[in-house]
Amino acid sequence: ETGVTQTPRHLVMGMTNKKSLKCEQHLGHNAMYWYKQSAKKPLELMFVYSLEERVENNSVPSRFSPECPNSSHLFLHLHTLQPEDSALYLCASSPQVVSEKLFFGSGTQLSVL
Amino acid sequence: KNEVEQSPQNLTAQEGEFITINCSYSVGISALHWLQQHPGGGIVSLFMLSSGKKKHGRLIATINIQEKHSSLHITASHPRDSAVYICAVRGSGGSNYKLTFGKGTLLTVNP
Repeated sequence: ETGVTQTPRHLVMGMTNKKSLKCEQHLGHNAMYWYKQSAKKPLELMFVYSLEERVENNSVPSRFSPECPNSSHLFLHLHTLQPEDSALYLCASSPQVVSEKLFFGSGTQLSVL
Repeated sequence: KNEVEQSPQNLTAQEGEFITINCSYSVGISALHWLQQHPGGGIVSLFMLSSGKKKHGRLIATINIQEKHSSLHITASHPRDSAVYICAVRGSGGSNYKLTFGKGTLLTVNP
């Protein structure tokens, strides 16, 4: 148990659906991240938030929309996704954006039909 | 070609063997991370290195900044060490908050 909780663990959605992924940490961390892990590919950074402000938007398509309402919660809103967006989406947090350790959630396995 | 290359991609060992996983990178970095990912997705940070060597239990990580190379060693390997081991480098300067990841090394330790 890392202290970072992601829901749901699994999600199947159609291309016209709208869904949201949720991430929560009560570790007192100031930085939160969304990563994408596709089969046979390295982890890719999607978004970084520091103290609820977006620090990085790593050329992610606008069909992915992050939201960080406070330092403990991070959302990833999904709409009109494509089948190639099927992947494991991992949330992580760290005390600051440059920290020795990252604490990862267990991920949401997303399938887009 | 990835900025971060790991070798081998897959590694099978017998319990008790000494394991080495290698990571090479091609960019300037401020630090290098080793992470462990178990089946089911969960990722755990093992080490962050900017020079020299670190040890935690049976795990040892080394880095050679001049050669842009790091190794992760596992002594007296055990089936519970079976996982994907991922190397990630932290950028330097204004990019020092970004991690670039290798594809991972799948380690299987048989009893």
